[in-house]
Amino acid sequence: QKEVEQNSGPLSVPEGAIASLNCTYSDRGSQSFFWYRQYSGKSPELIMFIYSNGDKEDGRFTAQLNKASQYVSLLIRDSQPSDSATYLCAEIGNNRLAFGKGNQVVVIP
Amino acid sequence: SAVISQKPSRDICQRGTSLTIQCQVDSQVTMMFWYRQQPGQSLTLIATANQGSEATYESGFVIDKFPISRPNLTFSTLTVSNMSPEDSSIYLCSVEEFEVHYGYTFGSGTRLTVV
Repeated sequence: QKEVEQNSGPLSVPEGAIASLNCTYSDRGSQSFFWYRQYSGKSPELIMFIYSNGDKEDGRFTAQLNKASQYVSLLIRDSQPSDSATYLCAEIGNNRLAFGKGNQVVVIP
Repeated sequence: SAVISQKPSRDICQRGTSLTIQCQVDSQVTMMFWYRQQPGQSLTLIATANQGSEATYESGFVIDKFPISRPNLTFSTLTVSNMSPEDSSIYLCSVEEFEVHYGYTFGSGTRLTVV
């Protein structure tokens, strides 16, 4: 399977700050990338997808893709306690979605 | 996006028994995907289920252990056979969504505990 790496440990951010998450991938042919949010005990929920180099913004979320450096990032602006969750990076190829290990985000009120 | 109903939502099973998980989608879809998420881990693809053909299994997963049925374009089942405590996981079905560049929508999951 394709490799998607999320190496950062749990991330604690104060409420209102920016949370920054990074993800690297190994296959230069990968085309589409996704960020999922997973609350404890719940199934993953798609929050962002990106397939072009550059930034893509949706509300408080910004996804960034850099194909030359093979990384994808997610910024959460004005973090809220409701953003506390695990965020999973994923890439798709051969009609299969491969996930990274996820990063836990804790927003401290 | 597609609405996926998955059941049971949780179960506690004796080792050596089997459990069948059902997944119903509110629209016709070509492929359905079955994932496993072990405690504290990420999602691992078990198999891809196409209607009218045998499921395609990923490395480390075999049909005898995880038989899959796909009788029509809205329904699939995954059976976890001859269970052991190592099979305790969350099992998730999913479908791809064209509208979000083929990202997947997931069912609510089945939390399986084998004792």
